[in-house]
Amino acid sequence: KQEVTQIPAALSVPEGENLVLNCSFTDSAIYNLQWFRQDPGKGLTSLLLIQSSQREQTSGRLNASLDKSSGRSTLYIAASQPGDSATYLCAASSYGKLTFGQGTILTVHP
Amino acid sequence: GAVVSQHPSWVICKSGTSVKIECRSLDFQATTMFWYRQFPKQSLMLMATSNEGSKATYEQGVEKDKFLINHASLTLSTLTVTSAHPEDSSFYICSASFESSGNTIYFGEGSWLTVV
Repeated sequence: KQEVTQIPAALSVPEGENLVLNCSFTDSAIYNLQWFRQDPGKGLTSLLLIQSSQREQTSGRLNASLDKSSGRSTLYIAASQPGDSATYLCAASSYGKLTFGQGTILTVHP
Repeated sequence: GAVVSQHPSWVICKSGTSVKIECRSLDFQATTMFWYRQFPKQSLMLMATSNEGSKATYEQGVEKDKFLINHASLTLSTLTVTSAHPEDSSFYICSASFESSGNTIYFGEGSWLTVV
């Protein structure tokens, strides 16, 4: 059974800092790994999707990497802004099902 | 891109009543849809896999008689919470994928259920 763990559970940083969110998964037989953002009271917003054959994906200030062999993915956020404050979830996809981590609550203060 | 619409976004119901949540794929045919539940401060948990024209597959610990899932067409799946209780209050979200989406899964906006 796939298990996904995210570290840290919460992170508070001043505006402008570069930061890294970590995600680990126990079963390396994944199709892809996705990173999502969830704002309070809102649904999920897909940020980045990394196929199992890829090593990383980039979108704007976001960069996500994937190391299947070690069961790890990281989400790198450059030059953080208060608007980045949200819960970030990673999810490993196998056979069409997603297994989510517990999320990292990010607070970026001005 | 592909769009999944979920309705209602917010619902409050009385304890003991039933409530239905709809999940629609607007511009593609989804042979499989998934239903998740998220309790406060916890991660999303898969409840069931909904296949068009057949019975849903429930995850361990999810009561199939309480959470009725119907996937009558390729664009619509419904989740009915029967005899709702306050402990059923949660965030429910559906997702769907289609063959040419490359295993990308598209999510609905989610539904916040409060049982009073």
